[in-house]
Order: sequence, then structure tokens, then C-alpha cells
Amino acid sequence: KAGVTQTPRYLIKTRGQQVTLSCSPISGHRSVSWYQQTPGQGLQFLFEYFSETQRNKGNFPGRFSGRQFSNSRSEMNVSTLELGDSALYLCASSLEPITVSGTEAFFGQGTRLTVV
Amino acid sequence: GDSVTQMEGPVTLSEEAFLTINCTYTATGYPSLFWYVQYPGEGLQLLLKATKADDKGSNKGFEATYRKETTSFHLEKGSVQVSDSAVYFCAPTNFGNEKLTFGTGTRLTIIP
Repeated sequence: KAGVTQTPRYLIKTRGQQVTLSCSPISGHRSVSWYQQTPGQGLQFLFEYFSETQRNKGNFPGRFSGRQFSNSRSEMNVSTLELGDSALYLCASSLEPITVSGTEAFFGQGTRLTVV
Repeated sequence: GDSVTQMEGPVTLSEEAFLTINCTYTATGYPSLFWYVQYPGEGLQLLLKATKADDKGSNKGFEATYRKETTSFHLEKGSVQVSDSAVYFCAPTNFGNEKLTFGTGTRLTIIP
């Protein structure tokens, strides 16, 4: 079956702009979680959605937001972009919420965002 | 809160060498423990997991044992190959913490 699809793969934006990233989970998966990966901070949890509800949010400013649609597809939005937002943004889908014992997360290839 | 300490990289080994990547964690309750691997240009994929004490996860020649007494989940492989070159992440999850926590990642390079 098709894996997790993230679009676009690459983005270049200017400081102050906003950006929307998309994630299509594996068919049947109801949980989508988002992560920011940078060389300095490693992998950091942004938020998780399950059945259109945000279950938890990481320690990121309010400029980072997300939502999940009824078909489980998810979008992440970053407003007023800063240079420090340059990163690889990964989404992962799973059948159950990510913290259910033994639940495996399936990751997309990520969206590489560069802010100039 | 929950945290994970992973062996610093990068690690460079010759083909067929023995590999150990250390991982220790602090968590409330009884987390599930995972190792994920990230190959160049790709997202993460599950390598192995263990969900309770003394469980051993294994895949592709890699093994890790859930050691509750030492709160560790060290990754081992007896004979590494060039194709094992990747970044490895230790990741405990804990229901109470409501998220998946990743280690800093260990970049492994295997030279022929």
C-alpha cells in the first residue's frame, strides 16, 4: 500500500511569509504527528492529530499550527517565517495514537523548508 | 519529564565490525522502546521495538533488549555492512507523556 506522502518535498520561502505543508497518511491510519528536524536540535515533536483532534502539542510558538481533515490528511502551517524555521519537517502516521503501547510510526520523506 | 540519552556520533566502523549504540532513558511508567533508522535523503523507518521488560527486538541482524533495571535499550549488530550506514534514533514512548521522544541520533558510517 502507499506510504506516507508529504508535499511539497522542497520549499524556499522568505522571512515573514507563511507556508503550508501537507501530509497524506497511510490509508486507514487516523493519527498524524509532525516533527521538526534540524542539525542543532535533532528531532522535535510539534503536534499530533487523531481523528481530527489535536492530542498534544510540543514546545513551539503559536506561529506553528496544524489541522487534520476527515480523511485523515493533515496540514501544518507556519506563519511569519523566521530564518530559524529552516528545517526538515517530517510527518508520521499510525493506526492508533503514537503513545499506545507498541504503536509503530510510519514516516514520510519530509519537506525541506529553507527560509531566506 | 521523559528524556533519552543516546551515544554521540559520528561513529565510523569497518565492514564486519561489531556495533553497539548506547541508549538510556528516563520515563514515568513503562514506556515502549523503539529504534528508528534514517537512510540518506529519506524519512525515518522503524528498525525494531520492545514493549516490555526483558523483551528483545530484532530486525536485519540488529538487536536491542529492554533493560528496565538499567533503563537502557542498547542497539547491537554482530557484523555491520556498508548498507547499514545511516542515522539511528532511540525513541521511547510513554502514554502519560503523550508523545514520541527521540534521541539526538547517531550517525553511523561503515567503510569497506
